[in-house]
Amino acid sequence: DQQVKQNSPSLSVQEGRISILNCDYTNSMFDYFLWYKKYPAEGPTFLISISSIKDKNEDGRFTVFLNKSAKHLSLHIVPSQPGDSAVYFCAASPYGNKLVFGAGTILRVKS
Amino acid sequence: NAGVTQTPKFQVLKTGQSMTLQCAQDMNHNSMYWYRQDPGMGLRLIYYSASEGTTDKGEVPNGYNVSRLNKREFSLRLESAAPSQTSVYFCASSEVRRDTQYFGPGTRLTVL
Repeated sequence: DQQVKQNSPSLSVQEGRISILNCDYTNSMFDYFLWYKKYPAEGPTFLISISSIKDKNEDGRFTVFLNKSAKHLSLHIVPSQPGDSAVYFCAASPYGNKLVFGAGTILRVKS
Repeated sequence: NAGVTQTPKFQVLKTGQSMTLQCAQDMNHNSMYWYRQDPGMGLRLIYYSASEGTTDKGEVPNGYNVSRLNKREFSLRLESAAPSQTSVYFCASSEVRRDTQYFGPGTRLTVL
């Protein structure tokens, strides 16, 4: 029973355009959400996070949106660059507990 | 500052063999984790250690044991390897349990 779902296994975007990666969760106790990026043969690296008291958090080209009523979050990358090509993992956590990861979405940015 | 280091990078085992995966962090973090990554499954938590001297089971602990040797080191042991344990194993650490986690480069394990 996957509590964090990334329903798109892959996404292909043209350089300079917007990339939108989606994540759905089922556990209403989750109140902290993160995105990690992973390149081949490397460990995941933290990208951006959001607390449930917010609905948006920005960091440069990366913005995460949280819709608590729909139990949905998304990561927007604008503009997309070839170096953004990687696997993106969504993760969620109930207060004071460990992280639960989604299966990941492979993003390919074409130049 | 090396962050999180893991050894070995690659390993091939035969069914029934045992081995220990080593992990060390130099960030003075309290919490450490072991995950496995399989295609289509994302990262699944095997064991974690919230602080030195404590360990707890994660989502997929069967077939594994862990030791939090000290604050820096957290090892994962496979006592009798099985083909189902073929995976990429990641160690991670964080300041507190659900804080941003920092990952090592991974160990690719194949069990024949």
